[in-house]
Amino acid sequence: DGGITQSPKYLFRKEGQNVTLSCEQNLNHDAMYWYRQDPGQGLRLIYYSQIVNDFQKGDIAEGYSVSREKKESFPLTVTSAQKNPTAFYLCASSPSDLRPYEQYFGPGTRLTVT
Amino acid sequence: KNEVEQSPQNLTAQEGEFITINCSYSVGISALHWLQQHPGGGIVSLFMLSSGKKKHGRLIATINIQEKHSSLHITASHPRDSAVYICAVNGAGSYQLTFGKGTKLSVIP
Repeated sequence: DGGITQSPKYLFRKEGQNVTLSCEQNLNHDAMYWYRQDPGQGLRLIYYSQIVNDFQKGDIAEGYSVSREKKESFPLTVTSAQKNPTAFYLCASSPSDLRPYEQYFGPGTRLTVT
Repeated sequence: KNEVEQSPQNLTAQEGEFITINCSYSVGISALHWLQQHPGGGIVSLFMLSSGKKKHGRLIATINIQEKHSSLHITASHPRDSAVYICAVNGAGSYQLTFGKGTKLSVIP
C-alpha cells in the first residue's frame, strides 16, 4: 500500500528538548512538505523540499530544522528555540512532475511540550 | 499572498440535509483543493479543481474563476460526513498551498 507514514501519532516532550518527527513516503514523490496546525488556524507551511538534498523555508521555519538525505524521508526537528512547539504536525508529498498540484497527507503527529 | 476565507466556520445539519460550504480567495490560482479532516487529524483530499465542477458520490465541488469562489456541496448528508472541511489553493504557478481555517460540520441523526 502506497502512502505517507508519520510516527509516532502522539509525542510528549519536556521544554528545552529537541524532538524529531518522522515522515516517510513510498509514493516515489519528489516533493515533501511539513505543515503545522493550531486550533482555529489554517495549516501553515514550515519547510518544503522539491528534491533530495535541497529544502526551502516556508512561512514559519524559525525554531525548526529538516533534512532530505533520501527521497522517501523528510524528518522535522523541533528545536528548543521554537517558542510554542505544542501543535499538530502534518507531512505531505506531491509528484512534482505531471501532477504538481496534488498533495497527499500523512496521518499527523500531535506534539505536546510541557 | 493569497487569502483564503471559508464560510461558515461551524455548521450543524440534520441527517439528510443538503449542505454547502463556501470558499473565497483573493488572487489568481492554479488549482483549488477541498480536503476533509476527521477528528483523528489525518487529511484526505476530496477534490482538486481549476475550473467547472466535479462530482464524487454525494459530494460536488464547483469553482468560479472569475468570482474567485468555490463551493463544496454534500447531498443527503449523513453523520459520517461530520468532519472539518478545508479549502486550499495553489497560487498561480506555485506548488505551495495556502489554506483556509476550515469549516467544522456536524451532522446529527
